[in-house]
Amino acid sequence: GAVVSQHPSWVICKSGTSVKIECRSLDFQATTMFWYRQFPKQSLMLMATSNEGSKATYEQGVEKDKFLINHASLTLSTLTVTSAHPEDSSFYICSARGTSDSTDTQYFGPGTRLTVL
Amino acid sequence: GQNIDQPTEMTATEGAIVQINCTYQTSGFNGLFWYQQHAGEAPTFLSYNVLDGLEEKGRFSSFLSRSKGYSYLLLKELQMKDSASYLCAVIGNTPLVFGKGTRLSVIA
Repeated sequence: GAVVSQHPSWVICKSGTSVKIECRSLDFQATTMFWYRQFPKQSLMLMATSNEGSKATYEQGVEKDKFLINHASLTLSTLTVTSAHPEDSSFYICSARGTSDSTDTQYFGPGTRLTVL
Repeated sequence: GQNIDQPTEMTATEGAIVQINCTYQTSGFNGLFWYQQHAGEAPTFLSYNVLDGLEEKGRFSSFLSRSKGYSYLLLKELQMKDSASYLCAVIGNTPLVFGKGTRLSVIA
C-alpha cells in the first residue's frame, strides 16, 4: 500500500516553456501533498505544501507565480513550472500523507527529472 | 529554528554493522523518520520513531532519545545494495525537515 506515482519520469524542454508534473496517490487518499526539489548531491528542499481544495503554502524563496500547484482532489496534485529556465533543471519529487495515517508518514513518488535547455 | 545534523559520508564492509547518527533541534517534535535514497531515485520510507527507544525492523533498527535530540539508524549484515544515502527527517511544528543525508558506501 501507500503508492505514489509521478508523471512524467523525465522531461526535457526549451527555455521559456511550461511543464506540468502530476503526482497521484494510487491506493490511498492524501489530504496533504508536498513538493520537493533536489539538486545533485544535495538534500530535498521543500517547495510547497498543498492541501486538497485550498491554496498551497509556499516555502520562503519559492515563487508561487512560477511554480503553480493545484491539488484538485484527494489523489492528485500538479506542479506546473511556468516559463522554465535552465536554473530550474532539477529533480522534482512529490510526497503524500494519508488521511488515516496517524504517524504523519510521507510516501514519495519516484520523482521527475526536469532538464531545461 | 530547524537544524538536523548527520555525517556526510560513511564507509563500511559487506556483512558488517553500521550506525548512522542524527542529532536535531526543531520547533516541536512529532516524530523522526529515516529514509533511504539511492542515487537518482526518490526516498523510500525505512522507519518512524515518536517514542524513546529502539524500533527493530529486519536488518534495520532505529533508536530515538527525545531528551537528547538524538537518533541513530543501525544497519546489520550489510549488503552491497545498502549503498545509498540515508536521510534523517523530523516533523515538528512544520512539515518534514530533512537532514542533508549520509552517503553510505558498502565495500567488499
